[in-house]
Amino acid sequence: DSGVTQTPKHLITATGQRVTLRCSPRSGDLSVYWYQQSLDQGLQFLIQYYNGEERAKGNILERFSAQQFPDLHSELNLSSLELGDSALYFCASSVEEVLSTDTQYFGPGTRLTVL
Amino acid sequence: GQNIDQPTEMTATEGAIVQINCTYQTSGFNGLFWYQQHAGEAPTFLSYNVLDGLEEKGRFSSFLSRSKGYSYLLLKELQMKDSASYLCAVSGYGQNFVFGPGTRLSVLP
Repeated sequence: DSGVTQTPKHLITATGQRVTLRCSPRSGDLSVYWYQQSLDQGLQFLIQYYNGEERAKGNILERFSAQQFPDLHSELNLSSLELGDSALYFCASSVEEVLSTDTQYFGPGTRLTVL
Repeated sequence: GQNIDQPTEMTATEGAIVQINCTYQTSGFNGLFWYQQHAGEAPTFLSYNVLDGLEEKGRFSSFLSRSKGYSYLLLKELQMKDSASYLCAVSGYGQNFVFGPGTRLSVLP
């Protein structure tokens, strides 16, 4: 158990819908990262927040957005869902803003299926 | 741009030694990480290198050459439970953290 929690574990929805994925970082961690992992692709970095502010942006679609709240939990919002958005979405957390000596710890993931 | 390469698949025998290579080109460098990921599960941290050389951690060792943009993960005394994907990742600037495509290792009896 990494200490990072994600809800829900599974989510099944239809094309065109909007969903929200939730992540609670490890106690004391200020950074939260979101990743997407499709069946045939590696881990794709989406976005990072540090202490409530956006710090780095990866291959995140405009239909997707995220935020980190004052209690440090984070939400990833996915809208106008398409079949290709079906994937495992991981959240990870770390203490530092920039990963150097510190590593990041991954949550169990949310499996999103878009029908 | 940023690019990380790893072999797609490897096969080895229980009890043997296997070396998984990773080459990278990234903007800035704050360190290289190796993760293990079993199918459908979250990645788990294995090792971290920021200086050139070998870092040993039990049955796992990781090597880094920054001038060559090259790293490898060495797994000794392979066990069946080591069958998993092994992800190389680099911490740099901009996108901050980039993962390679992963190497799927199959350990055979």
